[in-house]
Amino acid sequence: EAGVTQFPSHSVIEKGQTVTLRCDPISGHDNLYWYRRVMGKEIKFLLHFVKESKQDESGMPNNRFLAERTGGTYSTLKVQPAELEDSGVYFCASSQGHDDYEQYFGPGTRLTVT
Amino acid sequence: AQKITQTQPGMFVQEKEAVTLDCTYDTSDQSYGLFWYKQPSSGEMIFLIYQGSYDEQNATEGRYSLNFQKARKSANLVISASQLGDSAMYFCAMSNAGGTSYGKLTFGQGTILTVHP
Repeated sequence: EAGVTQFPSHSVIEKGQTVTLRCDPISGHDNLYWYRRVMGKEIKFLLHFVKESKQDESGMPNNRFLAERTGGTYSTLKVQPAELEDSGVYFCASSQGHDDYEQYFGPGTRLTVT
Repeated sequence: AQKITQTQPGMFVQEKEAVTLDCTYDTSDQSYGLFWYKQPSSGEMIFLIYQGSYDEQNATEGRYSLNFQKARKSANLVISASQLGDSAMYFCAMSNAGGTSYGKLTFGQGTILTVHP
């Protein structure tokens, strides 16, 4: 069984540009989470999808961030326009159902905004 | 709001010895879950162990055990018989069990564990 995959593994962009991160959860997992770790700080929750619906987006920092989950499968996280403080590692995680506590994490995308 | 505190930025242990990584938490929720994740230098997050707030027995998974002391709001990770491959960053995390934000993990700052041969 394939694990959670994320693309790209590393992205370097200039301030003001747009970047789109992709996450493919484990097949059949209804829950998809995005987290972010900014250098030297804790891993922070961004948002949670249940299938294609946003269950909780309380952690999204501002309206420069847009997340979608097409058809309840893969998810994209777009940052537009990117700012320097957006640099960090973006993790995606998935879990199967409401009562499944174990979240399987992807390898993360390291975003560097210069 | 939930909060996780890991007070040990770094820990060292000799191979084959046991080590305890500290974690305290704060929450007003009655039902919650506590987790430990391992992040090796390769960057992936590996789930280690889970403890539910209503579980009376401490969780164990192989060489990992979670020392859950509810009254003290602590959830320390004990790794027995340390191995060189245990060298990594370790994160303590918690989630609440219900409501619209179920599953959302709140993480601590992490502890870097180094195992010496």
